[in-house]
Amino acid sequence: DAGVIQSPRHEVTEMGQEVTLRCKPISGHDYLFWYRQTMMRGLELLIYFNNNVPIDDSGMPEDRFSAKMPNASFSTLKIQPSEPRDSAVYFCASSLPGGDRYGYTFGSGTRLTVV
Amino acid sequence: AQTVTQSQPEMSVQEAETVTLSCTYDTSENNYYLFWYKQPPSRQMILVIRQEAYKQQNATENRFSVNFQKAAKSFSLKISDSQLGDTAMYFCAFLNFGNEKLTFGTGTRLTIIP
Repeated sequence: DAGVIQSPRHEVTEMGQEVTLRCKPISGHDYLFWYRQTMMRGLELLIYFNNNVPIDDSGMPEDRFSAKMPNASFSTLKIQPSEPRDSAVYFCASSLPGGDRYGYTFGSGTRLTVV
Repeated sequence: AQTVTQSQPEMSVQEAETVTLSCTYDTSENNYYLFWYKQPPSRQMILVIRQEAYKQQNATENRFSVNFQKAAKSFSLKISDSQLGDTAMYFCAFLNFGNEKLTFGTGTRLTIIP
């Protein structure tokens, strides 16, 4: 398996623009997670899905953030409008149905810079 | 809510030496899982080792081993015969049994000196 695939690897955008981050989880993994990593706040869970259904979005910082998982092989995290404080590395991860025993498999992350 | 504390922001050791990274956590649960993740400069998050709380035996993976002290809520990572490729950020993480939310510590930046 190719692992968890995220795109793009880097994204630079201007404040106010819409940004869409993409993730393809490992086939067969029922859980998908979106994390944000910053120097100030470390790794924060934004939202996670089980079988394509959002389970917990309590970590989503504002209404400007939204996430979807239209099918088992694709998820998006959208920021509209983007702000400089959204600059961070965004990770997608997926796990097996008994995923808690194995931890998560992470993608390579998307480094977002909002100028 | 669970918390994970890594009290060593940075560490450095000579190549081939042994180093221990500390992690403590706070939980009222009895069944849970603990992990160490490595994040090299490439920023990829890599699972190093995991421990089930119900297992008394400490987990080992080649040069990596843990010292799990459940009563003390301590979960340290020992790296033996350290190599230059071990240079990375190391994150301790906690996961409740039946709960998919992985909670991370703030990380320890480890540098292996040639």
